[in-house]
Amino acid sequence: EDQVTQSPEALRLQEGESSSLNCSYTVSGLRGLFWYRQDPGKGPEFLFTLYSAGEEKEKERLKATLTKKESFLHITAPKPEDSATYLCAVQGGGSYIPTFGRGTSLIVHP
Amino acid sequence: DTGVSQDPRHKITKRGQNVTFRCDPISEHNRLYWYRQTLGQGPEFLTYFQNEAQLEKSRLLSDRFSAERPKGSFSTLEIQRTEQGDSAMYLCASSRPEETQYFGPGTRLLVL
Repeated sequence: EDQVTQSPEALRLQEGESSSLNCSYTVSGLRGLFWYRQDPGKGPEFLFTLYSAGEEKEKERLKATLTKKESFLHITAPKPEDSATYLCAVQGGGSYIPTFGRGTSLIVHP
Repeated sequence: DTGVSQDPRHKITKRGQNVTFRCDPISEHNRLYWYRQTLGQGPEFLTYFQNEAQLEKSRLLSDRFSAERPKGSFSTLEIQRTEQGDSAMYLCASSRPEETQYFGPGTRLLVL
């Protein structure tokens, strides 16, 4: 059974204070690891898909990296508008259905 | 590309009533998924369709839940005899085969 653990559960940063969110996973044959952003009361918004260890993707202040056991979402010089819950999900070789973690709630103070 | 849409956005109902939600996927996506999300949790898979065929259902999907996608386009999720434990955000997502899922805004259900 695929498993995803995200840490920390909550993170408070000052504007401009860079940090990283962690997503640890166990899966049989990784087909894809996904990062989504979710604002309160809204559906998840797609950020990145990573397929193999060593892969990296960037979008504005966000950079996602992947190893064989975990993924990191690095946030460089965050702004208050980056405040949201960040969800990680993995899709294993035996299923078309991704398994989601509980998310990390990020608050960036001005 | 208009994105995934869901209707209604909010629903308040009394215990024991039936409710139905609608999802319109991105037009060229033949896969459609339903998830349920409660506070502090990630989305939990309920069921998915490829075109009009319902290919997989979660053990979470009790007999009170039924989903349809009659012409391979929009989908409906019906909950019969609602219970307070059904209160949650119901999310719909769509994708092309083997590609990333894109989510709609969700329907928030409150059962009183």
